[in-house]
Amino acid sequence: AQSVTQPDIHITVSEGASLELRCNYSYGATPYLFWYVQSPGQGLQLLLKYFSGDTLVQGIKGFEAEFKRSQSSFNLRKPSVHWSDAAEYFCAVEGPPTGGFKTIFGAGTRLFVKA
Amino acid sequence: DVKVTQSSRYLVKRTGEKVFLECVQDMDHENMFWYRQDPGLGLRLIYFSYDVKMKEKGDIPEGYSVSREKKERFSLILESASTNQTSMYLCASRGNSLRNFGPGTRLTVT
Repeated sequence: AQSVTQPDIHITVSEGASLELRCNYSYGATPYLFWYVQSPGQGLQLLLKYFSGDTLVQGIKGFEAEFKRSQSSFNLRKPSVHWSDAAEYFCAVEGPPTGGFKTIFGAGTRLFVKA
Repeated sequence: DVKVTQSSRYLVKRTGEKVFLECVQDMDHENMFWYRQDPGLGLRLIYFSYDVKMKEKGDIPEGYSVSREKKERFSLILESASTNQTSMYLCASRGNSLRNFGPGTRLTVT
């Protein structure tokens, strides 16, 4: 069955420290991969996406993610976290165009940033 | 930028009431979606629509219906609201394989 797992329910990092949020997926083929961020009381904003090509993708707000096919992972990273990065982060996968309506979202990882 | 708007940010309704949640997008996208978001469960797809008057059930359609009479508007209907439908509801439209989300409606059913 198709699934997305974000193993960490919440993570706390110090401001200025590096960040890695984990995402593992189970899918029959290489899916499209996404990371979204949701600030409190807001909708979801797309941080970055992977469709094909270079496995290291750059996103907005200084985030990047690396697709590793062998590990079925798409982990999100940021070298230096800012207090404004405190939010909930969702990993999502979507099938190739023929199955593109069924995006599957992970349960989310809440990021806390301490001064 | 694509804009997806939802009619209410917060809504409080009583059990048994009929509830309408409205979503409007301004990018002429054919595909629109309704999700509910609950802690620890991520986003779950309720219904989606790939064209006017076309709709498909998502993963949790029970207790909900939808209406898409115009391309830009996708409505979610709770025929008889129940307390287990208290949740955050997110609307999205899709273009170029990218989903654009509205700000969400936090619905409380008492």
